[in-house]
Amino acid sequence: DVKVTQSSRYLVKRTGEKVFLECVQDMDHENMFWYRQDPGLGLRLIYFSYDVKMKEKGDIPEGYSVSREKKERFSLILESASTNQTSMYLCASSSGVRRHYGYTFGSGTRLTVV
Amino acid sequence: GDSVTQMEGPVTLSEEAFLTINCTYTATGYPSLFWYVQYPGEGLQLLLKATKADDKGSNKGFEATYRKETTSFHLEKGSVQVSDSAVYFCALTSSNDYKLSFGAGTTVTVRA
Repeated sequence: DVKVTQSSRYLVKRTGEKVFLECVQDMDHENMFWYRQDPGLGLRLIYFSYDVKMKEKGDIPEGYSVSREKKERFSLILESASTNQTSMYLCASSSGVRRHYGYTFGSGTRLTVV
Repeated sequence: GDSVTQMEGPVTLSEEAFLTINCTYTATGYPSLFWYVQYPGEGLQLLLKATKADDKGSNKGFEATYRKETTSFHLEKGSVQVSDSAVYFCALTSSNDYKLSFGAGTTVTVRA
């Protein structure tokens, strides 16, 4: 069964900590995405990557960075966590050539910054 | 740019009721259209999709037809169950973009 795996379901971090959210996919997908989801705000794209070592800013990149050293892994980094980054974070991947297949999502990481 | 507008919720129904969630879109070219479902505490799952005009996507009793003339992709289910309680997202991808454009999501609650 193909999947996108996010390393943690729940995470609690302190303000100012550097936080790493990991995402791994086993579908050989070219594209990977990080979203955050907040009540009333829907899904907001933070960063995406369409190839190894490539990254593009989404709609809300401030306070975040990403890393994609290998095709299967896409990491989201909170350089200095703040309470307004408390959210549900969703990783997704998609094929670069079969866009009509849509995205495959991970189960999400619920991050609480205290 | 591409955009998706879907019916605002929340929607509350009784079991065995008919469900419809409206979705309209704006896009260039010939987009592919999707419905995703998110159960409480989970990520999004692909529910169904359609890739060209007049295609009907179906899964788990849900259906949606790609209507290019009305730029719509409304989701329907004839008889909902409590287990259908979830948030439903309409989305599209254009032929010239890597990204999906999502609607705001519609929360559906089905009561026994």
